[in-house]
Amino acid sequence: GAGVSQTPSNKVTEKGKYVELRCDPISGHTALYWYRQSLGQGPEFLIYFQGTGAADDSGLPNDRFFAVRPEGSVSTLKIQRTERGDSAVYLCASSLMVAGGRGTNEQFFGPGTRLTVL
Amino acid sequence: GDSVTQMEGPVTLSEEAFLTINCTYTATGYPSLFWYVQYPGEGLQLLLKATKADDKGSNKGFEATYRKETTSFHLEKGSVQVSDSAVYFCALRSSTLTFGKGTMLLVSP
Repeated sequence: GAGVSQTPSNKVTEKGKYVELRCDPISGHTALYWYRQSLGQGPEFLIYFQGTGAADDSGLPNDRFFAVRPEGSVSTLKIQRTERGDSAVYLCASSLMVAGGRGTNEQFFGPGTRLTVL
Repeated sequence: GDSVTQMEGPVTLSEEAFLTINCTYTATGYPSLFWYVQYPGEGLQLLLKATKADDKGSNKGFEATYRKETTSFHLEKGSVQVSDSAVYFCALRSSTLTFGKGTMLLVSP
């Protein structure tokens, strides 16, 4: 079946470089979420989109992190000037339209992108 | 802010043993509560959920009851299998999902 897919599955980069991580949500899902999971921790919310717009970006740690979803489907998480502390698994999830502005529908998670910053 | 606290692992059990993984939460309002499971090499999957106090979520022999008075959502299973070995995450949702740190379960034959 067509679940949430993320590419690449692994990304190794050097400190200071720019990276882009891609998420393809389940077809028809209008809500899309990004999380970051550090080693030994649970996923931490970064940002969520309803359609093309970022409805809540309160979890982005700083202005080096940015995400877009220009056509309301695929999303790209962009990290500038990467730091070693950015190393983590970045998870994407999607769900059907969020009712009443709150997450009342099940989120389906992708396999994640493991980012390693050397 | 919202937070979830779950017991540290790993939890090591023999097959057919009884499982409890404790989870407590702090949140404003009335969040929905979830257990997610992450099998080795796979993505997060929803295991069960409860949306209001006293609701019991259940799936694959696992159960958890939403206890508002104790702000808890403990996961239980009467008889674990080797195939249940995974990392289990308790989570709550008010506006977005907030996860606990995860508890690794290792079941030996």
